[in-house]
Amino acid sequence: EDKVVQSPLSLVVHEGDTVTLNCSYEVTNFRSLLWYKQEKKAPTFLFMLTSSGIEKKSGRLSSILDKKELFSILNITATQTGDSAVYLCAALPRGFMYSGGGADGLTFGKGTHLIIQP
Amino acid sequence: AAGVIQSPRHLIKEKRETATLKCYPIPRHDTVYWYQQGPGQDPQFLISFYEKMQSDKGSIPDRFSAQQFSDYHSELNMSSLELGDSALYFCASTADPSNEQFFGPGTRLTVL
Repeated sequence: EDKVVQSPLSLVVHEGDTVTLNCSYEVTNFRSLLWYKQEKKAPTFLFMLTSSGIEKKSGRLSSILDKKELFSILNITATQTGDSAVYLCAALPRGFMYSGGGADGLTFGKGTHLIIQP
Repeated sequence: AAGVIQSPRHLIKEKRETATLKCYPIPRHDTVYWYQQGPGQDPQFLISFYEKMQSDKGSIPDRFSAQQFSDYHSELNMSSLELGDSALYFCASTADPSNEQFFGPGTRLTVL
């Protein structure tokens, strides 16, 4: 059974701090690792990582995937109160139904609840 | 930019009733996914459709069924509702199953 584990489950830091969120996975036919931000509504897409060792950046957020050790990290620098949310990590398997991949569902981790205090 | 549309946004039903949730994917997205998120839980994959055909099946109860129509919108039909079905139901869509999935705002179902 596919499994995604996130740590920590909860994290409280002060504004301006840098945080690192962890995600490890055990997925059959792994294709990609995705990060989402959820603030009491729909998960908002942040990153999709398919290749190992290539950092993706978006403003103060960055993420990298290690396919040998089966984990990914999400870094947030100079945190702001608006970064407070649940950060979800999800694994996308390589679909088998069609050449090029079927529409497989994501397997999510439990999420890291991040609270940024002013 | 157009996003995934779900309706209704909130729904209250009683036990043993039926419910139908609708999802309208982002224009030109032909792949739709349904997820269920219980209180304090991570989203659980239910079912997906690619080009109007069922593609993958997750932890969807037999009481639930879904389909994708010719205009690519999808409906999740839920029968014999139970208290445990109370959750947020998200629909997500993508133009390419190998790419990221974009989530709709969700339908909050409460079963009394």
